[in-house]
Amino acid sequence: DAGVTQSPTHLIKTRGQQVTLRCSPKSGHDTVSWYQQALGQGPQFIFQYYEEEERQRGNFPDRFSGHQFPNYSSELNVNALLLGDSALYLCASSREGMNTEAFFGQGTRLTVV
Amino acid sequence: GEDVEQSLFLSVREGDSSVINCTYTDSSSTYLYWYKQEPGAGLQLLTYIFSNMDMKQDQRLTVLLNKKDKHLSLRIADTQTGDSAIYFCAEGLRNTGKLIFGQGTTLQVKP
Repeated sequence: DAGVTQSPTHLIKTRGQQVTLRCSPKSGHDTVSWYQQALGQGPQFIFQYYEEEERQRGNFPDRFSGHQFPNYSSELNVNALLLGDSALYLCASSREGMNTEAFFGQGTRLTVV
Repeated sequence: GEDVEQSLFLSVREGDSSVINCTYTDSSSTYLYWYKQEPGAGLQLLTYIFSNMDMKQDQRLTVLLNKKDKHLSLRIADTQTGDSAIYFCAEGLRNTGKLIFGQGTTLQVKP
């Protein structure tokens, strides 16, 4: 079992650009949640995808969007990047839209310059 | 409101017990979690406790939950240098997939 896998591991983008991050959930999991972790802070919930729909959303602007595919993998898209979007982006997978036993990937470190 | 608070730093000697504390505000949480994060890594799920339980033990880890005071603690017995990391407390809100995290407690284990 490969667990939750995220790609890429590191990314450098220029302010104003767009970025796409990818996540494959743990085997047997059908729900993907995305979190943003700024340096020195705890993760902040961005949104969750279940059954290919966005079920819940945290306090993030519309520049943050996502998608879930039929194989349960997911993408996080961020448009019009700001310097403040620099963070570790974490993907968590779980079952049936719940938070029980949410397993996290190793994250994607995004740097906006 | 949704808020989870933790102390920022704890230093112990190898072989001692470590106790990391956490308080939360949302009474609708169903599960409470402890995650470990090592430098440059993602979050590792250590253990979790259902909100109607008082205690859960898993090898060297003991979780205590005081639901009345909304206080959660993680005790690590016989702390080792490999336990040095940041520990995050998180609450899972009822009927949602959302986790609310504290800002993390850095555990330093001295040899």
